Amino acid sequence: EVQLLESGGGLVQPGGSLRLSCATSGFTFSDTAMSWVRQPPGKGLEWVSAFTPINSGTYYADSVKGRFTISRDTSKNTVYLQMNSLRVEDTAVYYCAKAGTWEWGQGTLVTVSS
Amino acid sequence: EIVLTQSPATLSLSPGERATLSCRASQSVSTSLAWFQQKPGQAPRLLINDVSNRATGIPARFSGSGSGTDFTLTISSLEPEDFAVYYCQQRSNWPLTFGGGTKVEIK
Repeated sequence: EVQLLESGGGLVQPGGSLRLSCATSGFTFSDTAMSWVRQPPGKGLEWVSAFTPINSGTYYADSVKGRFTISRDTSKNTVYLQMNSLRVEDTAVYYCAKAGTWEWGQGTLVTVSS
Repeated sequence: EIVLTQSPATLSLSPGERATLSCRASQSVSTSLAWFQQKPGQAPRLLINDVSNRATGIPARFSGSGSGTDFTLTISSLEPEDFAVYYCQQRSNWPLTFGGGTKVEIK
């Protein structure tokens, strides 16, 4: 059974940093592309970032490029999202998702506020 | 960036009725289009991959069609559990993008 468990969310001031983690199990993590998707309160889905193992490629939405960094640790089957220079508009539930079958975690809430 | 426009924003229907949801892309996405369902307080769930391939466990009343820039999700006969928000997503080009969603509500 595929399992994805996000953690690391919380309250942070504008300009601050957070690192989200997504611990996975139930599939071959090293061969699988992973995405982060966010959803502001009461709004729609926004794709944020992806890691593709084929070429170790990393991809970002324009809204986070230069501020967020996706990475992974294959020894821990975990994908990360380092978020720097956070803005109020980054407030959202952040989900990790497994490519292919697009299974999702339960999400972790990030609130950027002073 | 490929923009996906979903219509209508809200669809008010009764159980047993047919739902037709539209997703239009600003440029061709070939067949790299998916549909997700999201219920309140839950993560999205994949319904349809590659325009018309139902994900594992998805009932046959859900079907997808289209190509290029115009796509449709059809729910042949609405069940009570189908009232939710539906999103399309393109995976043709980076960045991946989602449509704004269609809420299917009980009339």
